[in-house]
Amino acid sequence: KAGVTQTPRYLIKTRGQQVTLSCSPISGHRSVSWYQQTPGQGLQFLFEYFSETQRNKGNFPGRFSGRQFSNSRSEMNVSTLELGDSALYLCASSWGPGDRDTGELFFGEGSRLTVL
Amino acid sequence: AQSVTQLDSQVPVFEEAPVELRCNYSSSVSVYLFWYVQYPNQGLQLLLKYLSGSTLVKGINGFEAEFNKSQTSFHLRKPSVHISDTAEYFCAVSRTGFQKLVFGTGTRLLVSP
Repeated sequence: KAGVTQTPRYLIKTRGQQVTLSCSPISGHRSVSWYQQTPGQGLQFLFEYFSETQRNKGNFPGRFSGRQFSNSRSEMNVSTLELGDSALYLCASSWGPGDRDTGELFFGEGSRLTVL
Repeated sequence: AQSVTQLDSQVPVFEEAPVELRCNYSSSVSVYLFWYVQYPNQGLQLLLKYLSGSTLVKGINGFEAEFNKSQTSFHLRKPSVHISDTAEYFCAVSRTGFQKLVFGTGTRLLVSP
């Protein structure tokens, strides 16, 4: 079956701009999580959505936001970009809470954002 | 809260040698434990997971890990590595029933001929 799809794969923005990243989960998965990966901070949890509701949020400023649609697809948005937002943004999907939950996350290949 | 410590940032090893990547975790509640691998310019791929049951877990590509509750460890092992195993390896923990993963800082495995 198709894996987690993230678009775009690469993008370059300038400081002050905003960006929207998209994630299509594996078919049937209802939970989508977002992670930021940087050389300095490693992998950090941004937020998790399940059935269009944010269940968990990491320790990031309000410039970082997300949403989930009824088809489980998710978007994250970063406004007023800063140089430090340059990172690989990874989306992961899973079944979510319930009988099928194994805690395992399936990751996409990521969107690499460069802020100049 | 959960936390994960990967004791080695980089592990150099020769091809066909055994390797162990160390991982210790901290949690006051029941957890799931995972090892993920990341190849350059790619996302994370699950190697293996411990949910419950047998403490020795076998994963893909010949890797295995042992859950040790008393030492709060989940070390990853492979008896004979290949050049293609060169990658970054992440240990992760999550609370049972929650999808949020807490990752370690990663261990870069460098396999040379």
